Amino acid sequence: ELKVEQNPLFLSMQEGKNYTIYCNYSTTSDRLYWYRQDPGKSLESLFVLLSNGAVKQEGRLMASLDTKARLSTLHITAAVHDLSATYFCAVGGRDDKIIFGKGTRLHILP
Amino acid sequence: GAVVSQHPSRVICKSGTSVKIECRSLDFQATTMFWYRQFPKQSLMLMATSNEGSKATYEQGVEKDKFLINHASLTLSTLTVTSAHPEDSSFYICSARSSRQVAFFGQGTRLTVV
Repeated sequence: ELKVEQNPLFLSMQEGKNYTIYCNYSTTSDRLYWYRQDPGKSLESLFVLLSNGAVKQEGRLMASLDTKARLSTLHITAAVHDLSATYFCAVGGRDDKIIFGKGTRLHILP
Repeated sequence: GAVVSQHPSRVICKSGTSVKIECRSLDFQATTMFWYRQFPKQSLMLMATSNEGSKATYEQGVEKDKFLINHASLTLSTLTVTSAHPEDSSFYICSARSSRQVAFFGQGTRLTVV
């Protein structure tokens, strides 16, 4: 059974600082997703990572994937308040199901 | 990018009534759609996988008779919450794939049962 673990679950950080969210998963997969969710809203797709060593960047966010370690990271550079949200990683499993981690609630202090 | 439209965005219903939620892929054909449920400040829980023209596959612990899923066409899947009760109040989100790699999510439906 595919399990996805994210940490930390809560993160409060100062603007301008860097931080990393980690996503571990339990079984082999070739698809890993990062999503953002604002309160009361649905999911916004951030990144789709499909191969070992894949790295994608958009603005202050950068995601990477190590399929051998079954680990993905979402790195935040010089955080700004607008990045406050909940971030989910999700992994594509068998039967094309997408299983979500518990999410990381990120609060960036001005 | 591909668009998935979910309707309604909010619904309030009385206990014992049924509610239907629609999920449409607007600019692509989706052979598979997924239905998720999200409680406040929690993650998304996969409820079922909906395949066009066949019965939905439900996750363990999800009541098939309670959450009826129909995937009548390549662009439409519906979730009907039957005989709703307050504990069914939740945020329901559908997802559709345009290819094996990419999944898009609907806007979500906030269901409140009173």
